[in-house]
Amino acid sequence: GQSLEQPSEVTAVEGAIVQINCTYQTSGFYGLSWYQQHDGGAPTFLSYNALDGLEETGRFSSFLSRSDSYGYLLLQELQMKDSASYFCAVRGYSTLTFGKGTMLLVSP
Amino acid sequence: DGGITQSPKYLFRKEGQNVTLSCEQNLNHDAMYWYRQDPGQGLRLIYYSQIVNDFQKGDIAEGYSVSREKKESFPLTVTSAQKNPTAFYLCASSFRQGGFNEQFFGPGTRLTVL
Repeated sequence: GQSLEQPSEVTAVEGAIVQINCTYQTSGFYGLSWYQQHDGGAPTFLSYNALDGLEETGRFSSFLSRSDSYGYLLLQELQMKDSASYFCAVRGYSTLTFGKGTMLLVSP
Repeated sequence: DGGITQSPKYLFRKEGQNVTLSCEQNLNHDAMYWYRQDPGQGLRLIYYSQIVNDFQKGDIAEGYSVSREKKESFPLTVTSAQKNPTAFYLCASSFRQGGFNEQFFGPGTRLTVL
């Protein structure tokens, strides 16, 4: 089976940097994805790491350490519109298993 | 524009009734998925299909059924056997092998059973 742990809530101010951690236990691992979901909306894909290291996409970066079963999403230059829930998801052979999500609250 | 549509956005049903949620995609994706989301929870996989006329149970398939007669369509039926059906239901699709780490989601259907 798969299990993922991520903090339930993180708060930060506009312009700051925030890191959302994700640890996982899995019986089959192909990579780690991150999704963003605004309240009541559809999740949208942010990033995917199959190999160890840092992937950067604009203000967002994602990191993976397969040996530590650990990854994180780094959000820089926070904006109010970044207030949302962020989910890490482990890719297995045919499916994704999602964590329970981290609600990010960005204040002015 | 390509995308995934789900209808209706809000659905109310009486306890004991079966209800079918629609999901259509025009992205030419092979794989489609159904997830359930409860307040403050992550997405839990109900069923998925990698090809027409084939589908597999996810982690919480009990009380649900699906069909995949067309590549574009993957309807989900919530049966009366589902003990707690009130939830937010999300449909997703992706390319099949090698690409499904990126799933595209529909806007969701919020089902309330009274």
